[in-house]
This record gives sequence, structure tokens and C-alpha cells, in this order.
Amino acid sequence: DAKTTQPTSMDCAEGRAANLPCNHSTISGNEYVYWYRQIHSQGPQYIIHGLKNNETNEMASLIITEDRKSSTLILPHATLRDTAVYYCIVSGTSYGKLTFGQGTILTVHP
Amino acid sequence: DGGITQSPKYLFRKEGQNVTLSCEQNLNHDAMYWYRQDPGQGLRLIYYSQIVNDFQKGDIAEGYSVSREKKESFPLTVTSAQKNPTAFYLCASSRAGGLDTGELFFGEGSRLTVL
Repeated sequence: DAKTTQPTSMDCAEGRAANLPCNHSTISGNEYVYWYRQIHSQGPQYIIHGLKNNETNEMASLIITEDRKSSTLILPHATLRDTAVYYCIVSGTSYGKLTFGQGTILTVHP
Repeated sequence: DGGITQSPKYLFRKEGQNVTLSCEQNLNHDAMYWYRQDPGQGLRLIYYSQIVNDFQKGDIAEGYSVSREKKESFPLTVTSAQKNPTAFYLCASSRAGGLDTGELFFGEGSRLTVL
């Protein structure tokens, strides 16, 4: 299964865009990239996912490089409530098996 | 409202006792999952089920058991064989298994402490 690499922590000013990078250089052609976030002591929340094309929904945008070896999650206008751990996950070769790494702790400052 | 319900939210048990964590979903999802989370760590997959009466071991299944007799229910038993059971347990479901599982819906979690 492809592994992901994310920075341990990042900071962002409230109202600014938060750009969270993820490296997945061993991703295979049929694996999806997923992003989830987890606020302390709660269950993770799905944000967005994609295969090749860039994706956008009401929460965020996902930019996947052309070679698919890395991606960036963009929160366009970060708020204090966006402070959380953000997980970048690549779907494995085993059906339904998503492996969560340690993620990036995003802290949004006033 | 549709969602996943885990119970109990907090649970204390003595060493050597088995304990069962409940997970119920009313989303009509085929696939269900159990994850374990230790402090400061990511989630690790314990068991998952693609369909009723079928389930597969995840990465850390030793000391755990599950059943999937009904589509909406996927209980997890933490047995006395689990050497370090104190953790935060999360249940999730999705429309179907596969490489594009789509969105996983998570419950609020059950925090188990072994005394």
C-alpha cells in the first residue's frame, strides 16, 4: 500500500488560506487520495477525495499533481474551528482499508 | 438523523475481563470498520466487514473479535488476550468497500480504560 508523508504541524492565520501538503510518491494508478480531519477526542470527519483531477467541495479544494505523487489540501478561508489534525490517506490495495498515519496538526491563530 | 452510534462512550474494566463495544448505523451502509487510536497517534485498523456475515482482519486484530450478523450492527469484543487494551476505539461505515470507499462516517468513539 502506498504511504503518505505529511508535515507534523503547520500554523495559519485566521481568514487566510491553509495549504496542507502530502507526499504519496508510491501511489499506484487506481488508488485514491483521501483527506480527513479529526478534532480532539472526536471521530474523524471526511473532507474530500480524488483520483486524478482536482476536486472542490463546500469544505475544501484538493489539488493533485499531474504525476499524482503529491497533493495539497486547501482550506480557502481558515477559521479557528479548522484547528484539527488533518490526515492524508491513500486507498490501499485491500478493499475498504484506509490506513491513517499521524497527520498534520493545523493550528489556526486569531 | 442518520449516523453511527457507539456505546458506551467511556468504559472501565479490570484486567482479565472481556468487554464488548457496540456500533450501530442507520445509513444503510454495507461496509463497517473498527479502528483503534492511542494518544498522539493515527488510527489503526482492527477489523472490517464488507457485507453481512463476513469480516476481515485489519492490521492489529490480535486480542479482538467481531461479528456481523446484521447490516446495521458491528460489535467489537476486546478480549483478555489483548495485552494493552486501553485506547480510544472508533467505528466507521461506508457505502461499500473497494478502492473508492467514498466517505467514511465515524462514530464519536468509545474510550476504554483498563484498571
